[in-house]
Amino acid sequence: AQSVTQPDIHITVSEGASLELRCNYSYGATPYLFWYVQSPGQGLQLLLKYFSGDTLVQGIKGFEAEFKRSQSSFNLRKPSVHWSDAAEYFCAVGYTGGGNKLTFGTGTQLKVEL
Amino acid sequence: DSGVTQTPKHLITATGQRVTLRCSPRSGDLSVYWYQQSLDQGLQFLIQYYNGEERAKGNILERFSAQQFPDLHSELNLSSLELGDSALYFCASSVEWAAGQYEQYFGPGTRLTVT
Repeated sequence: AQSVTQPDIHITVSEGASLELRCNYSYGATPYLFWYVQSPGQGLQLLLKYFSGDTLVQGIKGFEAEFKRSQSSFNLRKPSVHWSDAAEYFCAVGYTGGGNKLTFGTGTQLKVEL
Repeated sequence: DSGVTQTPKHLITATGQRVTLRCSPRSGDLSVYWYQQSLDQGLQFLIQYYNGEERAKGNILERFSAQQFPDLHSELNLSSLELGDSALYFCASSVEWAAGQYEQYFGPGTRLTVT
């Protein structure tokens, strides 16, 4: 069965600093990968997705992620963090078949210091 | 706003009771997914319906059931509620963004508190 690991439960960065959130997945075939963001009291908003093609994908709000098959990773990055980016970030993996359900990581809580 | 609506936003009920959560997918989306988010279990897939039929099942308890109606809205029924069922329940609907690949749009969730 597929699984997703987000090794960092909490991350604190200063506003304007760069950000990288780690995500590792376990799945036999090529997965399709997502990053979602959840602000307090809100639902999940899709930041970006990957299935095939260019391994560097661009998303909304200035985020990007890079798929590295050799490392089974799909890390999320942002060159300059804004205070409004403070939220919880979830990496998710899906696969064709099985109804396209998503398996989520445990999330990384991002705190931005002003 | 994702276009997925969920009602109610909050629900407080007692152990042993039964509740119904409602979800309306985005216009045109045929698939509806239900997820549970709790502190100890994280975000877990419960069940998926596609155009009225059950498509996939996850870690859904036997006390829980769902259905999707002809107008494509879905309901998640939770019965014999226990304290541990307190969680945020999300509904999502999906659109095909590549052949056989779907991206899911999530509603705002229903926060269930069982006392």
